[in-house]
Amino acid sequence: SQTIHQWPATLVQPVGSPLSLECTVEGTSNPNLYWYRQAAGRGLQLLFYSVGIGQISSEVPQNLSASRPQDRQFILSSKKLLLSDSGFYLCAWGGQQNTEAFFGQGTRLTVV
Amino acid sequence: AQSVSQHNHHVILSEAASLELGCNYSYGGTVNLFWYVQYPGQHLQLLLKYFSGDPLVKGIKGFEAEFIKSKFSFNLRKPSVQWSDTAEYFCAVNKYSSASKIIFGSGTRLSIRP
Repeated sequence: SQTIHQWPATLVQPVGSPLSLECTVEGTSNPNLYWYRQAAGRGLQLLFYSVGIGQISSEVPQNLSASRPQDRQFILSSKKLLLSDSGFYLCAWGGQQNTEAFFGQGTRLTVV
Repeated sequence: AQSVSQHNHHVILSEAASLELGCNYSYGGTVNLFWYVQYPGQHLQLLLKYFSGDPLVKGIKGFEAEFIKSKFSFNLRKPSVQWSDTAEYFCAVNKYSSASKIIFGSGTRLSIRP
């Protein structure tokens, strides 16, 4: 069966520090991969999605970037965190043929 | 661009009341539609989905949703809610294609009074 792993679960980082959140999927190949940010009252905002290795689409201009170095690995990064980057980040995967998205447990990021 | 609107931000009901949560989307082409639920402290999970066929879709835990193409709507319903339905509910849409982003609404918080 397919599983998705996202870590860490919580993270506290100082302003200006770098960020790297990792997400890996097991049990499937060539998935669509997604990074979302969830804020109270604002739902899930799609940040990045990827349909294949090295193929990244950015949905909103921001201080973050994403990379997909391997088929089932999706990384969310920042060179210098801002206070406004605080939030709950969710990784998800979906099949290539019209399937739903399956979510990881999420990472609570607090920038101090 | 695709967008999803959930007009009810917070709904409060008593147990056994009927539920209907609204969802409207903006994309004019063929779409896939989803309802997700997030129980307190838990990750997002799928309630139900519509890809094609019967516009009345039944999901888990007694939930159902009706796709009305002419109204661009996919409202979620449950005839009789329980205290355990307290959660946040998200509607989502993507274009009917093999490689497409999934866009979520802002969510509706449902509180059930015991």
